[in-house]
Amino acid sequence: DIQMTQSPSSLSASVGDRVTITCRASQGFNNFLAWYQQKPGKVPKLLIYAASTLQSGVPSRFSASGSGTDFTLTISSLQPEDVATYYCQKYNSDPWTFGQGTKVEIK
Amino acid sequence: QVQLVESGGGVVQPGRSLRLSCVGSGFIFSDYGMHWVRQAPGKGLEWMAVVSYNGRTTYYSDSVKGRFTISRDNSKSALFLQMNSLRAEDTAVYYCAKENSNSDDYFDSWGQGTLVTVSS
Repeated sequence: DIQMTQSPSSLSASVGDRVTITCRASQGFNNFLAWYQQKPGKVPKLLIYAASTLQSGVPSRFSASGSGTDFTLTISSLQPEDVATYYCQKYNSDPWTFGQGTKVEIK
Repeated sequence: QVQLVESGGGVVQPGRSLRLSCVGSGFIFSDYGMHWVRQAPGKGLEWMAVVSYNGRTTYYSDSVKGRFTISRDNSKSALFLQMNSLRAEDTAVYYCAKENSNSDDYFDSWGQGTLVTVSS
């Protein structure tokens, strides 16, 4: 099975900072990679699919890229409402594995 | 709009069984594969199981294979998770999630979750 490893596990940044989260797969696969945001006490929400496609309604400060084994999620200008845990996930094949999550906080 | 409502959670003793349900509305339930995902307290998301749109194909994570069974009743727009031989480590919030499509099966909608606590 492909394992998904995110880094860092947590980060603290100032409002307006550029934030980057990495997701690395244990082996390469087609770009069936999604990113989800889970705010404290809330349900996960889809941000990105197909490695780089922004879900409708998601602010444009969120972007993502990558292929093969290395993927990144970037928040271009961190906002207070972006405090959340972010998860990557491979899809379209069993198992639909999530990364362990990256907790983003405001400094 | 799409709505997924889970039910059936609660406190159960180790070794016992529990059946979770998820009812979908706002979309054609029988057109979409459905998943169960769980989240232990303070932990990350863990994918559990999937059932195809027609119920004929299922897959499970290694952690629940042989103990949990996913199924669906499209006539009732309902998804189920039968959980047997429950363990303390199965304590979690269980979410049902809807696939975007058969060809792009990321999760575009999630239920609010139902809490399962396995404790004596």
